[in-house]
Amino acid sequence: QSALTQPPSASGSPGQSVTISCTGTSSDVGGYDYVSWYQQHPGKAPKLIIYEVSKRPSGVPDRFSASKSGNTASLTVSGLQAEDEADYYCNSYAGSKWVFGGGTKLTVL
Amino acid sequence: EVQLVESGGGLVQSGGSLRLSCAASGFIFRNYAMSWVRQAPGKGLEWVSGISASGDITYYADSVKGRFTISRDNSKNTVYLQMNSLRAEDTAIYYCAKGARAFCSSTSCYLGDYWGQGTLVPVSS
Repeated sequence: QSALTQPPSASGSPGQSVTISCTGTSSDVGGYDYVSWYQQHPGKAPKLIIYEVSKRPSGVPDRFSASKSGNTASLTVSGLQAEDEADYYCNSYAGSKWVFGGGTKLTVL
Repeated sequence: EVQLVESGGGLVQSGGSLRLSCAASGFIFRNYAMSWVRQAPGKGLEWVSGISASGDITYYADSVKGRFTISRDNSKNTVYLQMNSLRAEDTAIYYCAKGARAFCSSTSCYLGDYWGQGTLVPVSS
C-alpha cells in the first residue's frame, strides 16, 4: 500500500480538463510544501512535471498546474492532448525520505 | 545535456548480492544529491535511497534499510547501490535520479529532475 493515495484512473476528452488528487498526512503532504508530480509513459522513465507544489520545470507546458490544500495535493491538466495519456505519480518529502502515491492512469478518450 | 546511465542489473538468486552503478554527465555531479527509485513490474514507483552531494549523509526506505547501501564517487561522477540479501520482492527496474543541491532544503527540494533509463533486477526465488 502506497503512502499517498491517488485515484487509480482518470479520463477526459481532448480539450477538456482533468484533476488528479493526492492525499497524504500531516507527516508528508500536509507538513511540507515539497510535493512533486511525475509523468510516466509506458516503458519510459518518469519525467518531473511539477515540483514544490506548483512550480513547473522549464519545457513543461503551462497546461499542467498544481496546488495543495491541507493534506491533499492536486494536479490539473487543461486542454487535454493525446500525448498526455500516461501514468501520473505524486511524490512528497516526508522528513529524510520520499513517499509516492500509487499512480493514476490518465486516459484521453 | 544531463545524462544518467544505470548499469549492473541482471538476474540474481534470492539471498544474493548485486551492485548497481549510475554514471552521470552533463552537470556538476558533486553539487547534487542523488536517489535510487525502483518500480516492480506493473507497479508504481518506490523511493529506495538517497545520498547528499558530498556523500556524508544517506537515507533509506524502511524496506531496504540494513540490506542496501548507497554511495558515490564524485571523482568518477558515479553513484552506486549495493544490494545484499536480495528478496523476490526486490525485483524491479531501478532508476537513478538527480536531485536538488541538498537532499531537501528551503532553497529547493525535489527527488529528481532527471532520471536514467533504468536497469532491471529480477530476483529468483
